[in-house]
Amino acid sequence: DGGITQSPKYLFRKEGQNVTLSCEQNLNHDAMYWYRQDPGQGLRLIYYSQIVNDFQKGDIAEGYSVSREKKESFPLTVTSAQKNPTAFYLCASSMPRRGRETQYFGPGTRLLVL
Amino acid sequence: DQQVKQNSPSLSVQEGRISILNCDYTNSMFDYFLWYKKYPAEGPTFLISISSIKDKNEDGRFTVFLNKSAKHLSLHIVPSQPGDSAVYFCAAVHGSSNTGKLIFGQGTTLQVKP
Repeated sequence: DGGITQSPKYLFRKEGQNVTLSCEQNLNHDAMYWYRQDPGQGLRLIYYSQIVNDFQKGDIAEGYSVSREKKESFPLTVTSAQKNPTAFYLCASSMPRRGRETQYFGPGTRLLVL
Repeated sequence: DQQVKQNSPSLSVQEGRISILNCDYTNSMFDYFLWYKKYPAEGPTFLISISSIKDKNEDGRFTVFLNKSAKHLSLHIVPSQPGDSAVYFCAAVHGSSNTGKLIFGQGTTLQVKP
């Protein structure tokens, strides 16, 4: 089955700790995205990558880092610099067609701070 | 600056009746719009899209209407079913975008009562 997987489903972070959220897709999509959802708010773009070994900051990149070493994988690290990391994190992928593509989302990871 | 706005946080509708979800945008350069449906603790799933060259797109029970002059789009669900109860997000793509970046509204929670 083609799709996007995110792990873990729940993640707990201690103060001052870096944590990494996994995102894998087997849809052969070139582009991948990370969003953050907070209660009562829409999805806000953290980082995106249109091709392997290249990524761009989104609207709220501070305190986050990413890598794109493989087409299938786009892990997100929430660093200790992110002061309010508690949120629902969503990964998405798409096959770019000059902005007409549909993004497909994974099931999400909920990050909680201990 | 919220470029895509869903001003109704929630909507309650009786089963079998029409649900109308609204979305307003401020940037006239947006030329592609999408609706996503999201259940709690899951990733959004794509519902329907519309290009700015059209004013209506229909897919089964779902119809999206676009009024460019008013910078307004709406999603109609007819007839509404209890399984439609979810959060609905509208999203927009900038006409000059080649990154697929989506700008999301805050979401509207739809409750369909049996």
